[in-house]
Amino acid sequence: QSVLTQPPSASGTPGQRVTISCSGSSSNIGSTSVNWYQQLPGTAPKLLIYSNNQRPSGVPDRFSGSKSGTSASLAISGLQSEDEADYYCASWDDSLIGVVFGGGTKLTVL
Amino acid sequence: QVQLVQSGAEVKKPGASVKVSCKASAYTFTTSDINWVRQATGQGLEWMGWMNPNSGYSGYAQKFRGRVTMTRNTSISTAYMELSSLRSEDTAVYYCARGVHDNWNYPSFDYWGQGTLVTVSS
Repeated sequence: QSVLTQPPSASGTPGQRVTISCSGSSSNIGSTSVNWYQQLPGTAPKLLIYSNNQRPSGVPDRFSGSKSGTSASLAISGLQSEDEADYYCASWDDSLIGVVFGGGTKLTVL
Repeated sequence: QVQLVQSGAEVKKPGASVKVSCKASAYTFTTSDINWVRQATGQGLEWMGWMNPNSGYSGYAQKFRGRVTMTRNTSISTAYMELSSLRSEDTAVYYCARGVHDNWNYPSFDYWGQGTLVTVSS
């Protein structure tokens, strides 16, 4: 049972826009920053979004993040086949004094 | 480019300990925290704890306190994660990841090691 809640799966067709939600509480998302990681099959996770909505250098602007209250979202526009991966949200939790992850969302490009 | 290179796969018996290494390169090792995250097969990511390579100070997730120890050798830019009293549920890929802090001092992990598979089996 993950502290942050994500839908287990999402899907879209090439060119579409998809969003992935991440729900938390006042001790994590509600009071700290949210990060998103992309994990392609068989590889280590990669930082996609940090500090709610910031993209590291090299991450396409098709990827965007937002946060409102105790929830956050990752949006992917212009969906491409190479976006098929697992996506994880993460946040610092002030009560647990540690990083918590969502359970992950498997994105399928149809 | 920044790299974190981890040690190879391990097979351990229940009750034993495992020590995984993570060698950093292309940045000053003592300027960024090292975190450890594990992932059981087909499962999600689980944060285990962090270590400040400069001070050696570490903080662990409650689930692992008493069983995990994170250390470093600054002369060779290498961090270590040792997990003791292994059980079958500890079978997972273990990742080290460099931690960076935003303007509010909250961490994200910008570079990851390739992962080390630890198998616990009798």
